Amino acid sequence: GAVVSQHPSRVICKSGTSVKIECRSLDFQATTMFWYRQFPKQSLMLMATSNEGSKATYEQGVEKDKFLINHASLTLSTLTVTSAHPEDSSFYICSARVFSGRDNEQFFGPGTRLTVL
Amino acid sequence: DAKTTQPPSMDCAEGRAANLPCNHSTISGNEYVYWYRQIHSQGPQYIIHGLKNNETNEMASLIITEDRKSSTLILPHATLRDTAVYYCIVKSLWGAQKLVFGQGTRLTINP
Repeated sequence: GAVVSQHPSRVICKSGTSVKIECRSLDFQATTMFWYRQFPKQSLMLMATSNEGSKATYEQGVEKDKFLINHASLTLSTLTVTSAHPEDSSFYICSARVFSGRDNEQFFGPGTRLTVL
Repeated sequence: DAKTTQPPSMDCAEGRAANLPCNHSTISGNEYVYWYRQIHSQGPQYIIHGLKNNETNEMASLIITEDRKSSTLILPHATLRDTAVYYCIVKSLWGAQKLVFGQGTRLTINP
């Protein structure tokens, strides 16, 4: 299957700083990428849908000014957590959509664990 | 997209078939059944998807009832590495393309 990478895999930062997480599709072009957040022992929660060259679409309750998403190329989307606070500590996961003929699938990155002190 | 219902947890002995049920009684005609799994602290992994016919690939088989209101994911010979949370998701092939994850089934394979 298609490979999606995330960088960094783990980050620890101080409260009030901003953190950027990168999501790359390594062997395919992805016009659409998705960002999820997962708290311990909970399921994945979709945060936003990112389309290349346009503004991201955020899910209800997700602050677009706090979670900045940029999808400037067909292989890279970034999520910036601005002015991070301890409650933003979570596992952030991206996925990229692939078209293959009649079908389309989503492939997920390995996730980034953010800890805000 | 239609909602799904899964048991919160299941156990299976190593080497045996693991059968994971999913109810999706409000599924509509153009919605597919997708299965993903998430091993601890990793991103979800695509397993299989289907519309109305049974499907099989190298990882698993998907059995969908004739009325499409439920399905079963079958791991034919479960190994310890199959321990994970398994998510059943109903989604249209087109449209918004969002995958909405429920709570899934935590499958534990026992030696």
